[in-house]
Amino acid sequence: SQQGEEDPQALSIQEGENATMNCSYKTSINNLQWYRQNSGRGLVHLILIRSNEREKHSGRLRVTLDTSKKSSSLLITASRAADTASYFCATGLTSGSRLTFGEGTQLTVNP
Amino acid sequence: DTAVSQTPKYLVTQMGNDKSIKCEQNLGHDTMYWYKQDSKKFLKIMFSYNNKELIINETVPNRFSPKSPDKAHLNLHINSLELGDSAVYFCASSQFGQEHGYTFGSGTRLTVV
Repeated sequence: SQQGEEDPQALSIQEGENATMNCSYKTSINNLQWYRQNSGRGLVHLILIRSNEREKHSGRLRVTLDTSKKSSSLLITASRAADTASYFCATGLTSGSRLTFGEGTQLTVNP
Repeated sequence: DTAVSQTPKYLVTQMGNDKSIKCEQNLGHDTMYWYKQDSKKFLKIMFSYNNKELIINETVPNRFSPKSPDKAHLNLHINSLELGDSAVYFCASSQFGQEHGYTFGSGTRLTVV
């Protein structure tokens, strides 16, 4: 069965608001990654969090990981219209192994 | 100076034809991948090569045949194309054994009519 499931499937907010996306997975992982995909483009790596880490920051992004609940969240603060995209979580079972992607959250930030 | 480049970007072809998609990376990575993204944006891995050796071969029809002439190139050949093959195909690369993200190409949108 699919490793990652994301929630919500779609999220619409106003510019300046925060956006939170969640990801759940089923098996033990080595790391969890978040990617952004703009319409008609390839995926862009945003951030990686290892299984022994609980929180990580990168600019306006904050990622948390709860391995006991097998879940992660991506928070985008002070959103901008340019953040409009699909966001995917992906899990790696071992270092350097394949990534299994979730179904994605479509984020729309209205100006 | 594109990191992972795929060609062509768009491919429209008739059922039964054979087509190829090419991928090249200039990042010095040793591992390359093919992913298929369906109309619902679900991404599924198809193949992976590490230093020209096939390391991942998912349940993909044998009409799909990857080829890696060197670690910077990974091509995908598809025989006898079917309507259900219509999708966006992404090439990606990474350095095996290191916890870094994948670098993706911009995708090839394949439409079979």
